[in-house]
Amino acid sequence: NAGVTQTPKFRVLKTGQSMTLLCAQDMNHEYMYWYRQDPGMGLRLIHYSVGEGTTAKGEVPDGYNVSRLKKQNFLLGLESAAPSQTSVYFCASSSMIGYTFGSGTRLTVV
Amino acid sequence: AQSVTQLGSHVSVSEGALVLLRCNYSSSVPPYLFWYVQYPNQGLQLLLKYTTGATLVKGINGFEAEFKKSETSFHLTKPSAHMSDAAEYFCAVSDRTGGFKTIFGAGTRLFVKA
Repeated sequence: NAGVTQTPKFRVLKTGQSMTLLCAQDMNHEYMYWYRQDPGMGLRLIHYSVGEGTTAKGEVPDGYNVSRLKKQNFLLGLESAAPSQTSVYFCASSSMIGYTFGSGTRLTVV
Repeated sequence: AQSVTQLGSHVSVSEGALVLLRCNYSSSVPPYLFWYVQYPNQGLQLLLKYTTGATLVKGINGFEAEFKKSETSFHLTKPSAHMSDAAEYFCAVSDRTGGFKTIFGAGTRLFVKA
């Protein structure tokens, strides 16, 4: 099925550990995004990319890094996880009009 | 700068009743407007969008929204609620460059009572 695929779906990390979340889209979209969703705070943009090889900071970029080496993939990295990064992470891609979201990664940092 | 305000973080309706979820936006240029729906443990799905043309926009599952420029509003309605409509709904606005300049509202959770 066409769309946005996120892996993994669930993960538990210990404080200080690192991990990478993978996002893949097969719609040939230029724009890709990483959001986090926390209760009562809606969606907050972490980083985004307007094309292969380009990335930019969003609203809450601290503690995260991203890479877009291939147009279809957008990776989100946590170098040293902290409990404040416990959240649900969503990847999305878009054409000029409208977003397609992945199903999310639920991350718990203990 | 653009912004979106969704009035009411929670809305409760009875099954069969009218659903009205309110969204007001601020934009210095003619906007693109969207409603997304998020079911539990899922990502957001596009429900409907307004770009140009007819101001009454119909979406999936019987929802519709009307763009009212004079009121800077884009309220979402459905004549008769169904239990399966229980979800969180997000209004969003972008300028006509689209993409990363889309701003999402904080969301409204819809409860449907039997």
